[in-house]
Amino acid sequence: DAKTTQPPSMDCAEGRAANLPCNHSTISGNEYVYWYRQIHSQGPQYIIHGLKNNETNEMASLIITEDRKSSTLILPHATLRDTAVYYCIVSVLGAQKLVFGQGTRLTINP
Amino acid sequence: DTAVSQTPKYLVTQMGNDKSIKCEQNLGHDTMYWYKQDSKKFLKIMFSYNNKELIINETVPNRFSPKSPDKAHLNLHINSLELGDSAVYFCASSQGSQREQFFGPGTRLTVL
Repeated sequence: DAKTTQPPSMDCAEGRAANLPCNHSTISGNEYVYWYRQIHSQGPQYIIHGLKNNETNEMASLIITEDRKSSTLILPHATLRDTAVYYCIVSVLGAQKLVFGQGTRLTINP
Repeated sequence: DTAVSQTPKYLVTQMGNDKSIKCEQNLGHDTMYWYKQDSKKFLKIMFSYNNKELIINETVPNRFSPKSPDKAHLNLHINSLELGDSAVYFCASSQGSQREQFFGPGTRLTVL
């Protein structure tokens, strides 16, 4: 079973920052937070992951609260192509498998 | 160049038939996976192979048999197909289990 809770859907205007929240109150000390997304009819795509420090890459930023019980994925300037289902996953590094929950369906509106 | 490829993209077959789905990755990864996404869009892992060795088998029926002829390929053979096997099957790969997973485009299996 997934160990994360995400809102089922969100909307964001094109060009604005999309902030996707995730609760993982039972996260263990050795578990990482991963984000993947699935654009319609395609395979999931890795976005970013982190342990306790905030992380940034060319796709997004990941903000993890100090108690690590929640995190936020930030897409700084959302485009229509960012419309997808976004999955927040907690997993031990080296766990071999990803446990996907229901995710958040993000719709970017023109 | 496609990193993780699957064939066929669509597969329609009758109940009771046997079918195979092929997966190939050209990323040089040593770990490969099969996931199943059902009609409710839940994505669940089925198998994981590391260096051609089965690592994870998530209580998948014996009718499903993965085969890894080499590190670049992980095929999925399904015997006696049932209606409930209808789903999209995704192959994925990673370098070890500590890196992000790269997914293929999926194979949509429809059992009639």
